[in-house]
Amino acid sequence: GAGVSQSPSNKVTEKGKDVELRCDPISGHTALYWYRQSLGQGLEFLIYFQGNSAPDKSGLPSDRFSAERTGGSVSTLTIQRTQQEDSAVYLCASSLEGRAGGYTFGSGTRLTVV
Amino acid sequence: AQSVTQLDSHVSVSEGTPVLLRCNYSSSYSPSLFWYVQHPNKGLQLLLKYTSAATLVKGINGFEAEFKKSETSFHLTKPSAHMSDAAEYFCVVSDNTGFQKLVFGTGTRLLVSP
Repeated sequence: GAGVSQSPSNKVTEKGKDVELRCDPISGHTALYWYRQSLGQGLEFLIYFQGNSAPDKSGLPSDRFSAERTGGSVSTLTIQRTQQEDSAVYLCASSLEGRAGGYTFGSGTRLTVV
Repeated sequence: AQSVTQLDSHVSVSEGTPVLLRCNYSSSYSPSLFWYVQHPNKGLQLLLKYTSAATLVKGINGFEAEFKKSETSFHLTKPSAHMSDAAEYFCVVSDNTGFQKLVFGTGTRLLVSP
């Protein structure tokens, strides 16, 4: 597609439920990133995928968070047993071969845990 | 490790007056530096980037930034503010090793009054 697409755009869930957030990167972009933006904070790195290499999961805040990328394209970020502190905007970005200057961000998924 | 400090959480200007958004960085490596803009309910958009070429970088919408190594600064400026410039601005640093993870500042909200 023309840009990075994320769905849903908004998600309200009850504490303790699991949620899945989806990211469709730009076609041909080999690198995909997930970031989290909490209220009043900058963006926090979560996880990075590059081609067929093992992902860099160093930013995931707890073992309740996981992500996968199928076929080198679509990625799903899963949060299990959601907590109120998980409420944030989750942003996905993709780039060609991991070039920092070439990131394109999606519009994000606003997650609210009640 | 890299980090950025955005010195002002909010900046207010009148339309037609100059804009200055301040950013200081810290990096162990020769960094790449970026400014991103985020309009309400929109994705992040790259304004400009410094990647060790010219120290004065021109971006979109009349914005520019100057890389000053001696001051570890990368301030964003615009000669004349427009109402449409009202948004959140993020200063971002990336090292040029590994997968070039972006490290975001906490953002500066620019308010433009008529």
